[in-house]
Amino acid sequence: KQEVTQIPAALSVPEGENLVLNCSFTDSAIYNLQWFRQDPGKGLTSLLLIQSSQREQTSGRLNASLDKSSGRSTLYIAASQPGDSATYLCAVGNYGQNFVFGPGTRLSVLP
Amino acid sequence: GAGVSQSPRYKVAKRGQDVALRCDPISGHVSLFWYQQALGQGPEFLTYFQNEAQLDKSGLPSDRFFAERPEGSVSTLKIQRTQQEDSAVYLCASSPLEPNSGNTIYFGEGSWLTVV
Repeated sequence: KQEVTQIPAALSVPEGENLVLNCSFTDSAIYNLQWFRQDPGKGLTSLLLIQSSQREQTSGRLNASLDKSSGRSTLYIAASQPGDSATYLCAVGNYGQNFVFGPGTRLSVLP
Repeated sequence: GAGVSQSPRYKVAKRGQDVALRCDPISGHVSLFWYQQALGQGPEFLTYFQNEAQLDKSGLPSDRFFAERPEGSVSTLKIQRTQQEDSAVYLCASSPLEPNSGNTIYFGEGSWLTVV
């Protein structure tokens, strides 16, 4: 059974810092991996989707990498802003199955 | 509408009461998913529809949970005889194609259920 963990559980940084969020998964036979953002009281917004054949995806200040063999993905946020404060979730898609989510990292960017 | 719409947004139910949660997916989306999210945790898969067919219901926690999508568009998640442990946010998501086809999934804002 696929299990997904995220470290750290919570992170507080001053505005302008670069930061890395980590996601680990136990079964490397994945189809894709997706990073989501969740604001309090809201649903999930997709940030980046990485297919299993890819090693990274970039969107603006966000960069996500995938290392299937080690069961890891990182989400890099450059020049963090207070508006980046949210919970970040990674979700792993296995072949023929639905996404399995990690517990999330709660990020606070202080002005 | 432009996104996935869920109703009600908030529901307080007395223990033992039946509840029905509605999801309007993005028009034309083939796949529809229900997830349950407890406070401080990531969403957990409940069930999946491809058009009107319920292809996976392995995540439904008990036979008190039932989901349907009779015409392949709107879906309803029904919880019978609610218990306190059913208190959670119920998220609906839709996608243009089948799971893991390279497409992202789009989530609604969720239905917040509190059982008292």
